Amino acid sequence: QKEVEQNSGPLSVPEGAIASLNCTYSDRGSQSFFWYRQYSGKSPELIMFIYSNGDKEDGRFTAQLNKASQYVSLLIRDSQPSDSATYLCAVKWGFGNEKLTFGTGTRLTIIP
Amino acid sequence: DGGITQSPKYLFRKEGQNVTLSCEQNLNHDAMYWYRQDPGQGLRLIYYSQIVNDFQKGDIAEGYSVSREKKESFPLTVTSAQKNPTAFYLCASSSNAPGQGGTEAFFGQGTRLTVV
Repeated sequence: QKEVEQNSGPLSVPEGAIASLNCTYSDRGSQSFFWYRQYSGKSPELIMFIYSNGDKEDGRFTAQLNKASQYVSLLIRDSQPSDSATYLCAVKWGFGNEKLTFGTGTRLTIIP
Repeated sequence: DGGITQSPKYLFRKEGQNVTLSCEQNLNHDAMYWYRQDPGQGLRLIYYSQIVNDFQKGDIAEGYSVSREKKESFPLTVTSAQKNPTAFYLCASSSNAPGQGGTEAFFGQGTRLTVV
């Protein structure tokens, strides 16, 4: 079983709609969770991080974490064409072990 | 400006040669990482280091080597033992500070390695 799994997509969403991206992880000891956006040919850039169960909102983005289900998601409201990119979920395995593992990414396309 | 610098941006290597990719950061981060990305794929961890003079193998360390002699620098050598080295290589760093923030990884601009 892969340590971090994402739906590979591609995912197509109409402009203005909500895009929902999902990620599951295998290790219950995981402490920190990150969502990155990567445009083609570029390096990843951080969108959000979350450490505690529940929701965390930042502008049009909401990260949701459920440690019991080992599940983290990213919602993008009012999707814009500029949101078209690959979204990478990353998990860090706690203090004293800073291994940072990424999922395979979900390619998102916003349709005007 | 604070950040992570990778060089070169593009690198061509002949088969059988070793090459070294540079990664320097001035963010005072303890942890540094090397990832490999193939077309249409996610990031796969090659090596990571949490402190100076110490590093750990990631998921695909075979054919690669690293050193961490200085906090700011984490060079990656792609050896001739790496059978399929053509890929996009990304270096990242992060703080190890515990707590509710400050542990996200920041990336360099990447090095695109091509074997010719």
